[in-house]
Amino acid sequence: LAKTTQPISMDSYEGQEVNITCSHNNIATNDYITWYQQFPSQGPRFIIQGYKTKVTNEVASLFIPADRKSSTLSLPRVSLSDTAVYYCLVGDIYGGSQGNLIFGKGTKLSVKP
Amino acid sequence: ETGVTQTPRHLVMGMTNKKSLKCEQHLGHNAMYWYKQSAKKPLELMFVYNFKEQTENNSVPSRFSPECPNSSHLFLHLHTLQPEDSALYLCASSQATGGAGGYTFGSGTRLTVV
Repeated sequence: LAKTTQPISMDSYEGQEVNITCSHNNIATNDYITWYQQFPSQGPRFIIQGYKTKVTNEVASLFIPADRKSSTLSLPRVSLSDTAVYYCLVGDIYGGSQGNLIFGKGTKLSVKP
Repeated sequence: ETGVTQTPRHLVMGMTNKKSLKCEQHLGHNAMYWYKQSAKKPLELMFVYNFKEQTENNSVPSRFSPECPNSSHLFLHLHTLQPEDSALYLCASSQATGGAGGYTFGSGTRLTVV
């Protein structure tokens, strides 16, 4: 299983762009990177998933360098409602490995006014 | 509405009680999961079901008994629990067990064992 390392916490202000980096030095060839957001007392919510280079959707962008040993979740112009815990998961999404089911401690993002 | 519905939202039970948690999804997914999230701890995977068949049991104590009668419903039967079992129990589903496209989680059942 590819182990992931994220900062424990981050602070930001409303309107700023926030970049959360996840390290996964032993990522395997078939592994994908997936990010989730979790609010207190709720289940995690899928944000974005990618394999390489850049993936963008309506809420975030995911940047993955060529060596794929890290990835960065980018949240544009955050608001107070983006205060949550963000999890990075790495695993073979087509092979059914448990790596994509194991949540770490995540990064607690606090957005201030 | 996330597509995965869990009931009840809150449950208080004594250590000698028997209760069940229910999870329902109408997303057409084939895989379903139970997770436990204790205070200030990461989510812990408990059980994985794929096409109604249990494929993973992460060394969960037998006082937790899952049941998956069909791909849309998942239950977690609880009996003789301990206070340390108090936690948020989350159900999730996905098209396949790999998680392509992500997992869809319910809002959870907040369980308190007294």
